[in-house]
Amino acid sequence: GAGVSQTPSNKVTEKGKYVELRCDPISGHTALYWYRQSLGQGPEFLIYFQGTGAADDSGLPNDRFFAVRPEGSVSTLKIQRTERGDSAVYLCASSFQGLGTGELFFGEGSRLTVL
Amino acid sequence: QKEVEQDPGPLSVPEGAIVSLNCTYSNSAFQYFMWYRQYSRKGPELLMYTYSSGNKEDGRFTAQVDKSSKYISLFIRDSQPSDSATYLCALDNYGQNFVFGPGTRLSVLP
Repeated sequence: GAGVSQTPSNKVTEKGKYVELRCDPISGHTALYWYRQSLGQGPEFLIYFQGTGAADDSGLPNDRFFAVRPEGSVSTLKIQRTERGDSAVYLCASSFQGLGTGELFFGEGSRLTVL
Repeated sequence: QKEVEQDPGPLSVPEGAIVSLNCTYSNSAFQYFMWYRQYSRKGPELLMYTYSSGNKEDGRFTAQVDKSSKYISLFIRDSQPSDSATYLCALDNYGQNFVFGPGTRLSVLP
């Protein structure tokens, strides 16, 4: 498909485990964003990539969270030592140019449940 | 004070009604104003995008921005059951990141 693809769509894990969430953006989009959305809340910014580099990682809540985009396309969000409070939908979005252009194209999200 | 505030609803209206959705924000540095629609268990999708104060119309949707009051609105005319979704305002401080409001859940009853 031509849209943003996220895998897995659902992930259930136990407290303390390591989790990886993958995002495949729209081909040609240089900007990639990760957001986290808790129930009844709007998306909360985590990190923004322009190409391979993290242009803004100020939204990562702590050092258990890390994201990479080694080739400027697919990105992986990594969460170490998961906690129950990490349960949320993790949304990935991509954009042709990034900030100031208005449109982010979102995937359907990865729903993470930490037991 | 949160950066972006929005009445969470839920807001229920009959089919055909005019719907008014609003956001207020605190940071005057925001330059771009967007409305996203999010259906249940889906990612948000862009509805409207504006840069300047004033109105912008697209079909049944009108976005209104008042930068002096730090207030943005989305009006939906002739609302349809298919408009039932959560509506998120989003603001962009050029050079930083998009900030989303908490969303207003809308139900349009047939």
